[in-house]
Amino acid sequence: GEDVEQSLFLSVREGDSSVINCTYTDSSSTYLYWYKQEPGAGLQLLTYIFSNMDMKQDQRLTVLLNKKDKHLSLRIADTQTGDSAIYFCAESPSSASKIIFGSGTRLSIRP
Amino acid sequence: DTAVSQTPKYLVTQMGNDKSIKCEQNLGHDTMYWYKQDSKKFLKIMFSYNNKELIINETVPNRFSPKSPDKAHLNLHINSLELGDSAVYFCASRHDSYGYTFGSGTRLTVV
Repeated sequence: GEDVEQSLFLSVREGDSSVINCTYTDSSSTYLYWYKQEPGAGLQLLTYIFSNMDMKQDQRLTVLLNKKDKHLSLRIADTQTGDSAIYFCAESPSSASKIIFGSGTRLSIRP
Repeated sequence: DTAVSQTPKYLVTQMGNDKSIKCEQNLGHDTMYWYKQDSKKFLKIMFSYNNKELIINETVPNRFSPKSPDKAHLNLHINSLELGDSAVYFCASRHDSYGYTFGSGTRLTVV
């Protein structure tokens, strides 16, 4: 079946690292994505990882993929107030021409 | 130069009315989508068109009818609007598995 799960809320202190976790069900997914949605705004593609990779780093963002456990994580280093948003994990199954989203994790930053 | 543009950005209308949301992409992508985001921020696919042909039609009431006059446009027409149709509707386009680009959304409020 097609299902992407993530926790709904995460609160971190400014300057700390944020880790947002996600599990997915379709092992055929060739690409996995992280999208960011700020309040009242659209969906911004943050980063993606191809299924044959274990890790991808892009400035403050690190994506880890454990294909065996179907687990994806997004680490944001040195979290800033501008990182407050909803972060969506998504998969793109090879059998379906669509992208399937998780429920989104609302990241809040405390001083 | 907005890649995926939707109009209108906000739409407030009464129950029972018929309304349309327009979407245009200037990326040269072959596939376009409509997604619905409900009040809990869940994102679900509604429709997908590839080169003007319908390829995905999820379990959406037939009051919703997509129309693709050419591969750069995918409009969404909704008949007999109901309160439960209130949501944010996102248009997106895709060239291959990487490259889902979303519009900024249309917030529909049915009163």
